[in-house]
Amino acid sequence: AQSVTQLDSHVSVSEGTPVLLRCNYSSSYSPSLFWYVQHPNKGLQLLLKYTSAATLVKGINGFEAEFKKSETSFHLTKPSAHMSDAAEYFCVVSKNNQGGKLIFGQGTELSVKP
Amino acid sequence: DAGVTQSPTHLIKTRGQQVTLRCSPKSGHDTVSWYQQALGQGPQFIFQYYEEEERQRGNFPDRFSGHQFPNYSSELNVNALLLGDSALYLCASSAVPYEQYFGPGTRLTVT
Repeated sequence: AQSVTQLDSHVSVSEGTPVLLRCNYSSSYSPSLFWYVQHPNKGLQLLLKYTSAATLVKGINGFEAEFKKSETSFHLTKPSAHMSDAAEYFCVVSKNNQGGKLIFGQGTELSVKP
Repeated sequence: DAGVTQSPTHLIKTRGQQVTLRCSPKSGHDTVSWYQQALGQGPQFIFQYYEEEERQRGNFPDRFSGHQFPNYSSELNVNALLLGDSALYLCASSAVPYEQYFGPGTRLTVT
């Protein structure tokens, strides 16, 4: 079985400060892990993915995430928040490289203050 | 490239009615997955279609059914609508085993 837990339902940061969105996963199989972003009234956009290659994954818009198997974590970070980063972020797990169903976390709402 | 498209954007139905939602995949993709996103929740997997067959199914009742056409487009049908079916329905396309690309969704309201 697979599951994802996003440890914060809401995170608020000031523009220009670092962002940390936390995610723990559980998987009986070698996992693929993803972060998706959803802006209001928009579809989901893939930020980055981990599929058993490098453990530090770089994505779009300056985001990156590190896969830590010993901690079963896949936290999302960005050095400096921008107002346009305000959105809902989802951590997602699936069976590695099989393209099957995605299992989503409950989401973390990121607010960015000026 | 038009990306994943879905229609309609919004619709309102009454309890007990039936609804059909449509999805056109991104060019070059042959696999379509459907997800239900209730308000304030993460999306939940309904099913996935590949080569016109249901390849995988989530924990949804038989009232939810689908179809994939030879051009890879897909439909999601929901019968005997319940108030709890009100949600954003998302379609994602992919070329297995690669990542899924999502459409903008169809907002279904059941009254």
